[in-house]
Amino acid sequence: QVQLVESGGGVVQPGRSLRLSCAASGFTFSSTAMHWVRQAPGKGLEWVAAISYHGRDQYYADSVKGRFSISRDNSKYTVSLQMNSLRAEDTAVYHCVKEGVVVNDFWGQGTLVTVSS
Amino acid sequence: DIVMTQSPDSLAVSLGERATINCKSGQSVLYSSDNKNYLAWYQQKPGQPPKLLISWASTRESGVPDRFSGSGSGTDFTLTITSLQAEDVAVYYCQQYYNTPRTFGQGTKVEIK
Repeated sequence: QVQLVESGGGVVQPGRSLRLSCAASGFTFSSTAMHWVRQAPGKGLEWVAAISYHGRDQYYADSVKGRFSISRDNSKYTVSLQMNSLRAEDTAVYHCVKEGVVVNDFWGQGTLVTVSS
Repeated sequence: DIVMTQSPDSLAVSLGERATINCKSGQSVLYSSDNKNYLAWYQQKPGQPPKLLISWASTRESGVPDRFSGSGSGTDFTLTITSLQAEDVAVYYCQQYYNTPRTFGQGTKVEIK
C-alpha cells in the first residue's frame, strides 16, 4: 500500500534552515509528481511546492519562493524540502503529498516545524 | 491565484440528516480541452492528514461511502453528505488543481447537532 513518511521537523530559530524528507513506497515513485502542503496549527491547508516526476520542473507558492527548494531522488524514493531563512509564519505541519491523475490523492501524516526563538 | 471560498464555515447537523457544503472558485476550473472540472474534496479528521473523497468535482474515490457526493461545474460546487454519520465529523476542504498554486478553501467544520 502507499506510504509517505515525513521526517526532519523540529524547533528552529528564525532565519535558520531545516531540511524535510519524505520516504515513499507502494507506488511507482519515478512516474509520480510530488507536493508539499502545510497546515499551521489550528488553520487551513496551504500548498507549498511541487516537483515533476523527473525532477526538472519545480513550482512554489509565492510565500516561500526564493527561500524553499524542492528536490527528489528517484533512486531512493525520496522527496525533500530545503527550507532557508525560516520565519515564524512557516510554523506548520508539513505534509508530503502524492499526485495521482493530476489530483493530490494521498497524504503523509506530516512533520511539525516550529520556528521560534 | 484562484481564490476558493467555502460556505458555511461550520455546520451542525443531526445524525441521519443531510449536510451541504458549498465551494466557489474565483475563476472557472472547468478545462475546456477535456471538459473536466479540476476540483477535489478532502475530509480531515482530528490528528489525521486530509483524505481525498472526491476528484473531478463528482468522482467518488474507491472506498468512500456513497452518502458522499459532489456536484457543480465551472465556479460553483457542492459536497453533500446525504445521511450524516458520527464518523463524518471532520473538517472538509475543497481544492482546485486547475493551475498552480493549488489553492484550498478555508474549510468547513461539520459537527453533530
